[in-house]
Amino acid sequence: GNSVTQMEGPVTLSEEAFLTINCTYTATGYPSLFWYVQYPGEGLQLLLKATKADDKGSNKGFEATYRKETTSFHLEKGSVQVSDSAVYFCALSDSGGNKLVFGAGTILRVKS
Amino acid sequence: DTAVSQTPKYLVTQMGNDKSIKCEQNLGHDTMYWYKQDSKKFLKIMFSYNNKELIINETVPNRFSPKSPDKAHLNLHINSLELGDSAVYFCASSQDFRGGRAGETQYFGPGTRLLVL
Repeated sequence: GNSVTQMEGPVTLSEEAFLTINCTYTATGYPSLFWYVQYPGEGLQLLLKATKADDKGSNKGFEATYRKETTSFHLEKGSVQVSDSAVYFCALSDSGGNKLVFGAGTILRVKS
Repeated sequence: DTAVSQTPKYLVTQMGNDKSIKCEQNLGHDTMYWYKQDSKKFLKIMFSYNNKELIINETVPNRFSPKSPDKAHLNLHINSLELGDSAVYFCASSQDFRGGRAGETQYFGPGTRLLVL
């Protein structure tokens, strides 16, 4: 079945550091890939997405590129802020499109 | 206006009780979902409804029964609550994407934190 694997956290960084959160997937067909973010005490919000190979999703300084050859969708940001502290979820929806399969989530803590 | 709303936000109850969580979306979407997030933050889909029709049931115990009175509402009723039901339950919605339109964004509610004592 489809699955998503994320790097384990927590990830602790100083403000303005470079961020990478690794995400790899296993899926049949051509899934769409997503990054969702959950701020403390809140629901999930879509951060960015990509629907086909080589697409780059970007939002709020975050970006991720859909790499079919390595089945990866790593999240990056050049300079993190304290306000980026949250849980980040990588997810996929298969070509049927009806459900999201999530990774385990990665806690990001940014210190000032 | 809140796009996807859930009530209650917190629910503390005793084992064996029956409880309901309500969800409403005002986005005009056709598809709604329930997800369960456990204490380790792991998220898993439970149910999905499209225009009041059940389309996903992910081997959830039959103590959990979703009900969709119309396409803007998807409620979750839980019978005979158990300690293991303690979790955060998220409702979500998206446009109907049957027919191969992948990549639809799902919009999540704020969650209902259920604690079974």
